[in-house]
Amino acid sequence: QVQLVQSGSELKKPGASVKVSCKASGYTFTNYAMNWVRQAPGQGLEWMGWINTNTGNPTSAQGFTGRFVFSLDTSVSTAYLRISSLKADDTAVYYCARGRRPTLTGTYYFDYWGQGTLVTVSS
Amino acid sequence: DIVMTQSPESLAVSLGERATINCQSSQSILYSSSNKNNLGWYQQKPGQPPKLLIYWASTRESGVPDRFSGSGSGTDFTLTISSLQAEDVAVYYCQQYHSTPPTFGGGTKVEIK
Repeated sequence: QVQLVQSGSELKKPGASVKVSCKASGYTFTNYAMNWVRQAPGQGLEWMGWINTNTGNPTSAQGFTGRFVFSLDTSVSTAYLRISSLKADDTAVYYCARGRRPTLTGTYYFDYWGQGTLVTVSS
Repeated sequence: DIVMTQSPESLAVSLGERATINCQSSQSILYSSSNKNNLGWYQQKPGQPPKLLIYWASTRESGVPDRFSGSGSGTDFTLTISSLQAEDVAVYYCQQYHSTPPTFGGGTKVEIK
């Protein structure tokens, strides 16, 4: 069965960096894009971007450029999200989500999700 | 960006009764080549990740109970839970995948009356 297993919760100080991992199993990792979605405390869902698991080419949404970096290690079927220069308002649950793109002109919906990683930024 | 607007923000329904959630997109999300709508619905229970319920506005994901149904076209969509069960208490989100960036509605919280 398809599983996305994320790394555990993190508590970081402002200005630090964090790297969240997402290990996929139960399917061919390079057949599906990996997306990242943020959910701030008590808030809705916000798409951060995606990474092409064949080429490693990342695409970030507006507002998630610069400090947010998506990467891969295909040898272990794992995607990563690194956030640098952390701020208090980066406090959120970060999800990886497998993307399905059913049309050439459209974008992704998300059929499997990781369990989420809570990143708390506090001094 | 396509803006997705859900209503109501919350609703309380008695067990066994119907729950109806609305979602409106700021522009049409109809994929003309297939006459299908690029819309998904998700269920998020407390402390859990979202779960895909429906895609193409009305196609249930494998394993989703048939009390969940989706309808609508163009800009106006509905998720219906035909007979609310206790395990359906959750926040429900719609999401368009018509154009980048994919965007979500603000969510509708469903509770038991």
